[in-house]
Amino acid sequence: KQEVTQIPAALSVPEGENLVLNCSFTDSAIYNLQWFRQDPGKGLTSLLLIQSSQREQTSGRLNASLDKSSGRSTLYIAASQPGDSATYLCAVRPGQAGTALIFGKGTTLSVSS
Amino acid sequence: NAGVTQTPKFQVLKTGQSMTLQCAQDMNHNSMYWYRQDPGMGLRLIYYSASEGTTDKGEVPNGYNVSRLNKREFSLRLESAAPSQTSVYFCASSQGLAASYEQYFGPGTRLTVT
Repeated sequence: KQEVTQIPAALSVPEGENLVLNCSFTDSAIYNLQWFRQDPGKGLTSLLLIQSSQREQTSGRLNASLDKSSGRSTLYIAASQPGDSATYLCAVRPGQAGTALIFGKGTTLSVSS
Repeated sequence: NAGVTQTPKFQVLKTGQSMTLQCAQDMNHNSMYWYRQDPGMGLRLIYYSASEGTTDKGEVPNGYNVSRLNKREFSLRLESAAPSQTSVYFCASSQGLAASYEQYFGPGTRLTVT
C-alpha cells in the first residue's frame, strides 16, 4: 500500500532563507505527484504537479523535483517570506487502478519577519 | 470563475440526522472527488466520479452516498450521521484522470456530529 511521509512535521525559518521540504513515498509506481498549500481553516491550493516522466517543475520561487526510483520529492522555496507560512502537503497518484491521491500529513512552515 | 464551490461551510448535526453536502465546479471538468480530512490522518478519498454518470468508491466510503447530478455538480450524502463522521470535507475536480491533470479543491465543509 502506498504511503507518503513528509519530514519535518514543522519548520520555522527567518524571512529570506531558502528552504527545502521533503516528501517520500513507498511505491515508485506513480502517475504524478502534486504539492499543495493549505492555510489554516482553508482549502488546498495546488502549487505544482510533476508527472511521472518529469524530473522537476518550477513556478516563481518554487521548484519541485521528483526522483521516482528513490521515492522522493522535494519542494524548494527560495527567499522565503512571511506570506509563505502555511501547511504544505505532498500527494501522489498511484499507478495502479484507482484515482485517489494519497496524501502526506504535511509540513507546517512558519516564516518569521 | 469561482472554481470549486461547496455548501454549507459549517454544519452541526445530531447523531442519526441526515444531510447532503453540495459541490459545484465551473471549470468544465470531467472528474470530481470527495475527500475527508482528519487530524493525524491526512486527506482520504471517500468517492469519486470519473465522468458524468459514473461514481466509484474510494478508501473510506462507508456511511456515505454520492450523486453526480450533472457535469458541474457532485453531492455527498450522509444518511445517518455518526460522531466518527465529524471531519472537514473537501470536494475536488480535475479535467480528467490522466497524469497531467491537477486536482483543484474547494474551501471545505466543516461538519460536527454530536
